[in-house]
Amino acid sequence: DADVTQTPRNRITKTGKRIMLECSQTKGHDRMYWYRQDPGLGLQLIYYSFDVKDINKGEISDGYSVSRQAQAKFSLSLESAIPNQTALYFCATSDERGETQYFGPGTRLLVL
Amino acid sequence: GESVGLHLPTLSVQEGDNSIINCAYSNSASDYFIWYKQESGKGPQFIIDIRSNMDKRQGQRVTVLLNKTVKHLSLQIAATQPGDSAVYFCAENREDTGRRALTFGSGTRLQVQP
Repeated sequence: DADVTQTPRNRITKTGKRIMLECSQTKGHDRMYWYRQDPGLGLQLIYYSFDVKDINKGEISDGYSVSRQAQAKFSLSLESAIPNQTALYFCATSDERGETQYFGPGTRLLVL
Repeated sequence: GESVGLHLPTLSVQEGDNSIINCAYSNSASDYFIWYKQESGKGPQFIIDIRSNMDKRQGQRVTVLLNKTVKHLSLQIAATQPGDSAVYFCAENREDTGRRALTFGSGTRLQVQP
């Protein structure tokens, strides 16, 4: 869905490096989310934001940080990447009711 | 603990048959449920939803059934097509300390045989 875009789509990095994943949306939604998906598993919530400057930890926030400087943008950072952070990362948005979430295409991250 | 789980990790059906994907949830406070479809290399895509005050909801070729007594959710796909091959996730949504939280199951892979 082009309403939610993620960059980069694929990234290879080395252990210890700091990297940033970007998410942009044109849906006009206030709420944005970052999820991680490991092979054969469901989605785990890393962080979420209900408005600009609002940041909340999800299930697995350790080793990650986020920034919400504008309504349309929500970035995820890995402060010091480690191999077990190799996964698919999805950004999602929802309206103020927070029920249905709309997902971006994902970023495939490989940490060597 | 709280969980949303699936009975079968993989379901294989013949093209044209009906498919039924099941999901169990454990949090009785959940009041909204969603089914997502995830094709290879893509993000989850909304299929259909149902609120806890309903037992059944129909869409185009898809039906969701909710049994609150046994905390069970199912997705029925009629006349399954090759394009239906994907991983299907159920998700439960509830108010959690004043904010809505969405919890995903681990997914069922649907394989459609020609």
